[in-house]
Amino acid sequence: QTVVTQEPSFSVSPGGTVTLTCGLSSGSVSTAHHPIWFQQTPGQPPRTLIYDTEIRSSGVPDRLSGSILGPKAALTITGAQAHDESDYYCVLFVGRGIWVFGGGTKLTVL
Amino acid sequence: VQLLESGGGLVQPGGSLRLSCAASGFSFGLYTMRWVRQAPEKGLEWVSSIRGGDTTTHYADSVRGRFTISRDTSKNTLFLQMDSLRGEDTAVYYCVKGGVPGTYYFDNWGQGTLVTVSS
Repeated sequence: QTVVTQEPSFSVSPGGTVTLTCGLSSGSVSTAHHPIWFQQTPGQPPRTLIYDTEIRSSGVPDRLSGSILGPKAALTITGAQAHDESDYYCVLFVGRGIWVFGGGTKLTVL
Repeated sequence: VQLLESGGGLVQPGGSLRLSCAASGFSFGLYTMRWVRQAPEKGLEWVSSIRGGDTTTHYADSVRGRFTISRDTSKNTLFLQMDSLRGEDTAVYYCVKGGVPGTYYFDNWGQGTLVTVSS
């Protein structure tokens, strides 16, 4: 069974930079997993931020970026703002039409 | 693009429910469509996908054999037939627009519909 790992929580200061990661319980994440990143605020559906590792969805500012860092996919937020405080989820394509979400990271800006 | 889910509600364990997602603003039949769920205070879980064009379907292990995804392109509507429901199926179910076949994308999300499985 494939498990996708994310940090449960992270904290960043206003104006600071934070990198959230998305890994696999066994093996490395690559572009072949087509990593996608989402942001979700309480009571709202998720919003797609990044797809295919590094492509920003429409309207997503360039201070958010996606990449592969070592064995993991990564979402980097620079110049953190109060409204970045949200839950962030990644999802990976693991083959045969199957997608697996990570458990999510709760980002606090303070 | 608009996605409007309906059909959620309270159902007893072992019961059935059929969710619908009315889609508009794009060429519905060309795009992969997905269902993603979120249990109360929990994370997201991909449930099922149906590919645009050839309607190939895929399911998470947790629902395979109990849930059936389908689409009616004449009515621009996506469905999720849920049978043999269990308590762990309690969640908000989101309809998600994907990309055209050959792309790997979760695009627009609906607002979700709540399914509660309880006696």
